Amino acid sequence: DAKTTQPNSMESNEEEPVHLPCNHSTISGTDYIHWYRQLPSQGPEYVIHGLTSNVNNRMASLAIAEDRKSSTLILHRATLRDAAVYYCILRDVDIGAGKSTFGDGTTLTVKP
Amino acid sequence: NAGVMQNPRHLVRRRGQEARLRCSPMKGHSHVYWYRQLPEEGLKFMVYLQKENIIDESGMPKERFSAEFPKEGPSILRIQQVVRGDSAAYFCASRPASGPNEQFFGPGTRLTVL
Repeated sequence: DAKTTQPNSMESNEEEPVHLPCNHSTISGTDYIHWYRQLPSQGPEYVIHGLTSNVNNRMASLAIAEDRKSSTLILHRATLRDAAVYYCILRDVDIGAGKSTFGDGTTLTVKP
Repeated sequence: NAGVMQNPRHLVRRRGQEARLRCSPMKGHSHVYWYRQLPEEGLKFMVYLQKENIIDESGMPKERFSAEFPKEGPSILRIQQVVRGDSAAYFCASRPASGPNEQFFGPGTRLTVL
């Protein structure tokens, strides 16, 4: 599996934007970039995914580098409820491809 | 549409006993994944199943662990002769047969081995 590298932790102030980086230099042409987050004592929750173009949804935005070797998850206005571990993973576009490798993720702390 | 359901949410077993963890995927989902999360660590893939088939079990320990996803009923992760090192949160995820390969996770089962 192609691996991803994320900072262990980041801090943000409430109401400010947060940029969570992810490096995936060995990404293949058929890998989608997915982001999940895990709140304390809960299962992971899907956030967003993309292939080549930047993506926006109600939760966040995903900015993908032109060479696809890195991406950034953008939370436009952090709230206390956004405090979680954020995972960046690569997943093959082939629907038959199974497992995903979750790294240790980035622990986001939001300060009031 | 109910999400992925897992039961029990908490399970306590003594060393040597068996643990059975159940996962009911979202309606219409035919693919199930099991992950294990040790305390303070990320999720580790264990096994990927479709109905009545194991597709990828490369993350499963070779002994004591087994998984099934029968034609009818939930997916079962079975751990025989549990040891303290099996204490972890076990998450199940499901997805439909087609789509962007997005997985929907259940709330997890927290196994404690005494």
